[in-house]
Amino acid sequence: GNSVTQMEGPVTLSEEAFLTINCTYTATGYPSLFWYVQYPGEGLQLLLKATKADDKGSNKGFEATYRKETTSFHLEKGSVQVSDSAVYFCALSVTPNTGNQFYFGTGTSLTVIP
Amino acid sequence: NAGVTQTPKFRVLKTGQSMTLLCAQDMNHEYMYWYRQDPGMGLRLIHYSVGEGTTAKGEVPDGYNVSRLKKQNFLLGLESAAPSQTSVYFCAVMGLAGGDNEQFFGPGTRLTVL
Repeated sequence: GNSVTQMEGPVTLSEEAFLTINCTYTATGYPSLFWYVQYPGEGLQLLLKATKADDKGSNKGFEATYRKETTSFHLEKGSVQVSDSAVYFCALSVTPNTGNQFYFGTGTSLTVIP
Repeated sequence: NAGVTQTPKFRVLKTGQSMTLLCAQDMNHEYMYWYRQDPGMGLRLIHYSVGEGTTAKGEVPDGYNVSRLKKQNFLLGLESAAPSQTSVYFCAVMGLAGGDNEQFFGPGTRLTVL
């Protein structure tokens, strides 16, 4: 089946530290991979995506590379800021896929302290 | 341009009461989804719709019903609320083209069942 596993949180980092949030997946068909971010009290927003193997998605200093050989899509940022404090969700969508369903990980809470 | 809106934002019910959550979109997207978010569980798909007049079950449909009478609205109903349905409910929408499109989320409805 289709599923996403991401690292347990919560993660607490000091400002300007390096961030890695691990995400691995299993999928039938050809997956596209996504990272969504949820700020307190809000809905999810797309952070970045990659649609095929070796693609790199990037946005706001965050990056993730679609690694088919390791079935991974780890999220990284070189220098986090307090404003990056949020919950991060890894997700996949598979083609073919009735209803274009997305499969989400459990989320990783990040707190950045000054 | 409101995007995706959800009504109400908060609600407290007693066990056995019924209610309807409304998701409305002005993005003219075909696909609409209802998720619930619980601590440690991530987002789980309840029901979804691939177009006006159609609905389908997701991962956790029991205890919920849905209707999509108009393209822009997707209603989630709880006929007899149970404490296990205490959760945050998110609506999402997505356009028709391809499995790698973005899902756009509403701000959520926080429901407590006593």
